[in-house]
Amino acid sequence: ETGVTQTPRHLVMGMTNKKSLKCEQHLGHNAMYWYKQSAKKPLELMFVYSLEERVENNSVPSRFSPECPNSSHLFLHLHTLQPEDSALYLCASSQDEPGQNTGELFFGEGSRLTVL
Amino acid sequence: ILNVEQSPQSLHVQEGDSTNFTCSFPSSNFYALHWYRWETAKSPEALFVMTLNGDEKKKGRISATLNTKEGYSYLYIKGSQPEDSATYLCAYLPLDSSYKLIFGSGTRLLVRP
Repeated sequence: ETGVTQTPRHLVMGMTNKKSLKCEQHLGHNAMYWYKQSAKKPLELMFVYSLEERVENNSVPSRFSPECPNSSHLFLHLHTLQPEDSALYLCASSQDEPGQNTGELFFGEGSRLTVL
Repeated sequence: ILNVEQSPQSLHVQEGDSTNFTCSFPSSNFYALHWYRWETAKSPEALFVMTLNGDEKKKGRISATLNTKEGYSYLYIKGSQPEDSATYLCAYLPLDSSYKLIFGSGTRLLVRP
């Protein structure tokens, strides 16, 4: 198993659909992230979970709903999205030590989302 | 507003050429700078995490330097090879944020055989 696995790799959905993106990490890390990459924009942090508690919610619209049931799994639930939400969604994990800031991120290959 | 600027946006070089890119970031409130390499259809991979002013790191033909006082980092590739073709991202981590890496838009490198 590769370090960080994301499914599905590609997703096409209508604006009224409900779907979920899944991320799994096999590295034993204690923090997981969702990032969004829109065309010609830098990676934008959406959510961070550390030890399964959400510690950063970067003012993301409520139509994106994260879930972290354990330290190895992270979901992004999607509902009533807009066409401008079409983007590449990347999951990442890191191992954070108490009193220190985050170490390097290990990324998945991303889920390419198209909202029609 | 915290901005991370990378230049150039894209770069085409011939195999064997050496090249370098720049990452500019706020010089105040600095904690760390990350460099990532992102090949098309793959996941971004960390190259370096740098924290100390004057730091120099090397991995094979790729090296990076860090100047936290003036807020810039250089990434060098010596003798570029076609497999070096990728987007190179830098990301700045402020001191007062444990998790919020701020990414630049990247430098897209194409190495022609």
